[in-house]
Amino acid sequence: GENVEQHPSTLSVQEGDSAVIKCTYSDSASNYFPWYKQELGKGPQLIIDIRSNVGEKKDQRIAVTLNKTAKHFSLHITETQPEDSAVYFCAASQIGTGSQGNLIFGKGTKLSVKP
Amino acid sequence: DGGITQSPKYLFRKEGQNVTLSCEQNLNHDAMYWYRQDPGQGLRLIYYSQIVNDFQKGDIAEGYSVSREKKESFPLTVTSAQKNPTAFYLCASSKSGANTEAFFGQGTRLTVV
Repeated sequence: GENVEQHPSTLSVQEGDSAVIKCTYSDSASNYFPWYKQELGKGPQLIIDIRSNVGEKKDQRIAVTLNKTAKHFSLHITETQPEDSAVYFCAASQIGTGSQGNLIFGKGTKLSVKP
Repeated sequence: DGGITQSPKYLFRKEGQNVTLSCEQNLNHDAMYWYRQDPGQGLRLIYYSQIVNDFQKGDIAEGYSVSREKKESFPLTVTSAQKNPTAFYLCASSKSGANTEAFFGQGTRLTVV
């Protein structure tokens, strides 16, 4: 089955710096890679996702890159702000018409942005 | 407002007792999921249901049970057979097929006392 590894487990940056979180996956059939942000005491919320037919996707200060050959994908946050502080999870699954594989999550990265 | 609602937010249980966590969604989603979250462990899948009246075991189903009698509801029962039930439980839902964004509830923190 799919296995997702996420690094680092904790990340501390200065406000305004960039943050990068990396994930690797094992199942070459996986084709959908979302990133979730979880604030303390709340459920995770989708912040960006990417499908295997593209290599990069950007939404304002966040971007995700995907390397299918190496089976890894990364989250990039630029110009970090204190409100970016949270736990971030990557996930992988296989999706197709009429079917949906279950999301397999990494263990999370706790990001702290210091003012 | 459309969304997914978990209740209660905090739950205390005595050892040996069963307890049921509620999850309701009004997003008209076919698929629903239960995850368990422990510190440093990420989210682990307990049970999932792709359609009403059908559900499947996830990676850590032992000691848990579910039902899916209505599309909107997917309650999780933590039974006395679950040896370490203290955790944060998250329910999620999604459309089936290609649109796979999963929407999560706010979670239930279960503590065994």
